[in-house]
Amino acid sequence: EPEVTQTPSHQVTQMGQEVILRCVPISNHLYFYWYRQILGQKVEFLVSFYNNEISEKSEIFDDQFSVERPDGSNFTLKIRSTKLEDSAMYFCASHLAGVSEQFFGPGTRLTVL
Amino acid sequence: AQSVSQHNHHVILSEAASLELGCNYSYGGTVNLFWYVQYPGQHLQLLLKYFSGDPLVKGIKGFEAEFIKSKFSFNLRKPSVQWSDTAEYFCAVVNSGGYQKVTFGTGTKLQVIP
Repeated sequence: EPEVTQTPSHQVTQMGQEVILRCVPISNHLYFYWYRQILGQKVEFLVSFYNNEISEKSEIFDDQFSVERPDGSNFTLKIRSTKLEDSAMYFCASHLAGVSEQFFGPGTRLTVL
Repeated sequence: AQSVSQHNHHVILSEAASLELGCNYSYGGTVNLFWYVQYPGQHLQLLLKYFSGDPLVKGIKGFEAEFIKSKFSFNLRKPSVQWSDTAEYFCAVVNSGGYQKVTFGTGTKLQVIP
């Protein structure tokens, strides 16, 4: 069964460094999302992406964040200058057009030191 | 803006006990409703979903949920829990159509004691 994959599973970085989290959505999906879950808190929406542009973003998704679909398969989240409070699990999700069920990846645990 | 509230943050049950986890949402339009489960160290998995039709939906592993539109509720139930059901459960809502961000509840940690 097709699934969303994410790499790396765990990323440790120093404060102020740039990180890129990678996701490979299910191949025929058209809508892509990033969510994050700070330890002990609920999963929060960051950004949605469709037709090669951001369709919606939350207030968390400030200028430090950017997303890209550099080729036909990858969907990346870049954090330009990481802060301690960016430490969280980051989930990618995707779905087909017109279908609400989103398929989530296994997540990348980001630890900012 | 849509929101989801889950009333129980931490539930402890013995095996074979019945489970009901509460979920209420607020949104003015048509919504699709979900329950996700996150087992320790694992990613989110879909337990069940409601789009339309029969308000009583059945999911995997013996779980079911009932959509009561008048109460804006979508409670999760299981008649007899097992130790393997120990996990965190998230209720979620997506507004129909358009760009469908998922709004999650705060989650309920279920601990099943053998």
